[in-house]
Amino acid sequence: NAGVTQTPKFQVLKTGQSMTLQCAQDMNHEYMSWYRQDPGMGLRLIHYSVGAGITDQGEVPNGYNVSRSTTEDFPLRLLSAAPSQTSVYFCASSYRSYNEQFFGPGTRLTVL
Amino acid sequence: RKEVEQDPGPFNVPEGATVAFNCTYSNSASQSFFWYRQDCRKEPKLLMSVYSSGNEDGRFTAQLNRASQYISLLIRDSKLSDSATYLCVVVSGSARQLTFGSGTQLTVLP
Repeated sequence: NAGVTQTPKFQVLKTGQSMTLQCAQDMNHEYMSWYRQDPGMGLRLIHYSVGAGITDQGEVPNGYNVSRSTTEDFPLRLLSAAPSQTSVYFCASSYRSYNEQFFGPGTRLTVL
Repeated sequence: RKEVEQDPGPFNVPEGATVAFNCTYSNSASQSFFWYRQDCRKEPKLLMSVYSSGNEDGRFTAQLNRASQYISLLIRDSKLSDSATYLCVVVSGSARQLTFGSGTQLTVLP
């Protein structure tokens, strides 16, 4: 089992560019989520999904879109990158939201 | 007031020391509690759940105090490999969402 995989590991964007962060899991987990981690702020929930076709907003959803067409994949789209979106992004999956979260290795994003 | 608050540290302790971290939470109806460990530039990983009666896993002991709304993590006989950031996590609300603390940094010195 690969667990939770994320691509890319590093990315540099210019302000206004768009991109998609990929996340996939092979554990047949229903619950998937995206977090961003900034110094001194902890992990903050961006969007989450409780199953294929169902997504909802977390604490900091502005500027991001998600979709969940399959159980395995949960991509995060940055619509028009801003310097405030410079962060480390983690994808996580679990059976239910309150079970052990399995995190991917993270994507380090810099927006210039 | 933040939903989940932790002392950011850093805590610098010698090998073999006992160290304790606290984490306070604001929602008295919170349902579940966890400690995660995050190594430098790595993803968080579950260290242990926190049960109402307190629980132990080797050198690690977790406790919950609902009346005062805090959870604690005690590490005995610290090892160099315990150096990491420890995140407390609280589950709350009808959607059972997780809220992460900002983490407490521990460095165990030789």
